[in-house]
Amino acid sequence: DAGVIQSPRHEVTEMGQEVTLRCKPISGHNSLFWYRQTMMRGLELLIYFNNNVPIDDSGMPEDRFSAKMPNASFSTLKIQPSEPRDSAVYFCASGGGTTPAVYGYTFGSGTRLTVV
Amino acid sequence: AQSVTQLDSHVSVSEGTPVLLRCNYSSSYSPSLFWYVQHPNKGLQLLLKYTSAATLVKGINGFEAEFKKSETSFHLTKPSAHMSDAAEYFCVVSEVTSGTYKYIFGTGTRLKVLA
Repeated sequence: DAGVIQSPRHEVTEMGQEVTLRCKPISGHNSLFWYRQTMMRGLELLIYFNNNVPIDDSGMPEDRFSAKMPNASFSTLKIQPSEPRDSAVYFCASGGGTTPAVYGYTFGSGTRLTVV
Repeated sequence: AQSVTQLDSHVSVSEGTPVLLRCNYSSSYSPSLFWYVQHPNKGLQLLLKYTSAATLVKGINGFEAEFKKSETSFHLTKPSAHMSDAAEYFCVVSEVTSGTYKYIFGTGTRLKVLA
């Protein structure tokens, strides 16, 4: 089991550019979460998918952010256009079974995004 | 709504001495509670979880936590700190909203272990 795989590990981009973060959840897990971590705000849930369907995107900060899950093994988080305040570490997590929040999620190693 | 409060943002202990990281929760029903650890530049790793079974929960690396409903607490302890325990620790409660589950994270406690 390779765990939750995120790419890239690090991304540096210029303000205004489009950024796409990728996540491969653990095979068989039916829930996928995108989190953002900053010093100021800590860990924030951005969006949550269950069986590839977005369930709760109330944490997505603005229309510049979008997330997709075209199949059970892949998800993307896109920022267009990016701004310096988007600089953060973005984590993807997946969970299995009918009650993943009861039994714990598995987190990826994160993507450190720097927008200059 | 559920919430979780980590009472200390930083804790320093000497190697070989006990560790206590405090967490209080607010929940309208019997919660599921977790502790996660994050080492520098790493993802989050599940240490242990409480899901309404035994109130004393044992986790990895010698950590344990006790669920105390009367005190609404879920403090994390370890009898003897090791240098490798230096990391940030997050207390988490799961919340059910409209039939879906999500995590509510505490603000984290950074543990420093002194040689």
